[in-house]
Amino acid sequence: GENVEQHPSTLSVQEGDSAVIKCTYSDSASNYFPWYKQELGKRPQLIIDIRSNVGEKKDQRIAVTLNKTAKHFSLHITETQPEDSAVYFCAASIRTYKYIFGTGTRLKVLA
Amino acid sequence: NAGVTQTPKFQVLKTGQSMTLQCAQDMNHEYMSWYRQDPGMGLRLIHYSVGAGITDQGEVPNGYNVSRSTTEDFPLRLLSAAPSQTSVYFCASSYARDAHYGYTFGSGTRLTVV
Repeated sequence: GENVEQHPSTLSVQEGDSAVIKCTYSDSASNYFPWYKQELGKRPQLIIDIRSNVGEKKDQRIAVTLNKTAKHFSLHITETQPEDSAVYFCAASIRTYKYIFGTGTRLKVLA
Repeated sequence: NAGVTQTPKFQVLKTGQSMTLQCAQDMNHEYMSWYRQDPGMGLRLIHYSVGAGITDQGEVPNGYNVSRSTTEDFPLRLLSAAPSQTSVYFCASSYARDAHYGYTFGSGTRLTVV
């Protein structure tokens, strides 16, 4: 069945360094890949997304890359700040409105 | 525009009790869904709906019922609460049209079954 694997499960970086979170999906028909950020005790919020006709998308300090051949996509956060500490979830579409989520990455930015 | 509103925020139930978690959205979204979030397991889909009168099961539907009588509301019913249903529940909505859209999540309901 459809599956999304997310790595690593936890990630600690020094403030100012970069962080990379990777996801692999199984359904070759997936064509939309959103990323969500969830701060402690809060709801998940969409931070960036990418569609399959694009290889990379940037929004200030965050970027997402997509390799359709390998079925990989990654979230890149540059110049990390303490407020970037959160759990990040990737997802892949399996229908126009339905997504499969990864199991999450807990990012800790150390001051 | 309130987005997605969930009530209650916290609930404690005794084993065997029933209750309904409420979810309402004011964005005219066709798609609404319920997820449960457990430590280390991410977000797992319980039930979803693509419009009034249409519902379907997700990954973990057992023990839960839903209905969608209006576009705005999508309540989740726990039929006979069990300790395994202790979790944080999120309602999410989006458009369900030709293009993809990200979800808007509610603030969550933290449920404890004792």
